[in-house]
Amino acid sequence: KAGVTQTPRYLIKTRGQQVTLSCSPISGHRSVSWYQQTPGQGLQFLFEYFSETQRNKGNFPGRFSGRQFSNSRSEMNVSTLELGDSALYLCASSLGLAGVGEQYFGPGTRLTVT
Amino acid sequence: DAKTTQPNSMESNEEEPVHLPCNHSTISGTDYIHWYRQLPSQGPEYVIHGLTSNVNNRMASLAIAEDRKSSTLILHRATLRDAAVYYCILRDRGRSGGSNYKLTFGKGTLLTVNP
Repeated sequence: KAGVTQTPRYLIKTRGQQVTLSCSPISGHRSVSWYQQTPGQGLQFLFEYFSETQRNKGNFPGRFSGRQFSNSRSEMNVSTLELGDSALYLCASSLGLAGVGEQYFGPGTRLTVT
Repeated sequence: DAKTTQPNSMESNEEEPVHLPCNHSTISGTDYIHWYRQLPSQGPEYVIHGLTSNVNNRMASLAIAEDRKSSTLILHRATLRDAAVYYCILRDRGRSGGSNYKLTFGKGTLLTVNP
């Protein structure tokens, strides 16, 4: 079956702009988690959505938000972009809540803020 | 959040076993131990997870100490394809507690496999 897909794969934005990233989970998976990966901080958990509800949240400012649709697809939005938001954004899907079983990661969206 | 400690890097030779250690001295009784790996330019990939007993699957084995304060991921015969960053992660409850768990990744161990 198809894996987790993320669009777009690469994105270049300017400081102050906003961006929306999309994640399509594996068919049947109800949980989508988002992570930010940078060379300095490594992989950091942003938030998790399960059945359209945010179930858990990491330590990121309110500029980072997300949502999940009834088909389990998820979007992540970052407003008022800062240079430090340049990172690889990964989403992961799982059948149940994150951490209960396997998470399947997408290839990521590489965001560059100039 | 419960934390894990791993060596920054390890080196192995092809077709030899590799033992990747992880310390998690603050683990709680309900924390599962997960291992993921990340190959270059890819998202992380699930390897194995366990609670108390040793676990085996087609990719690896997980040996968990009796006191659960440490664990070891065992790759029985390393291949060049196993070169990756390996993350040992505890599944811990988020701030809201209840059934809301999250995975907290550390820096991981960079495994180099020599031909």
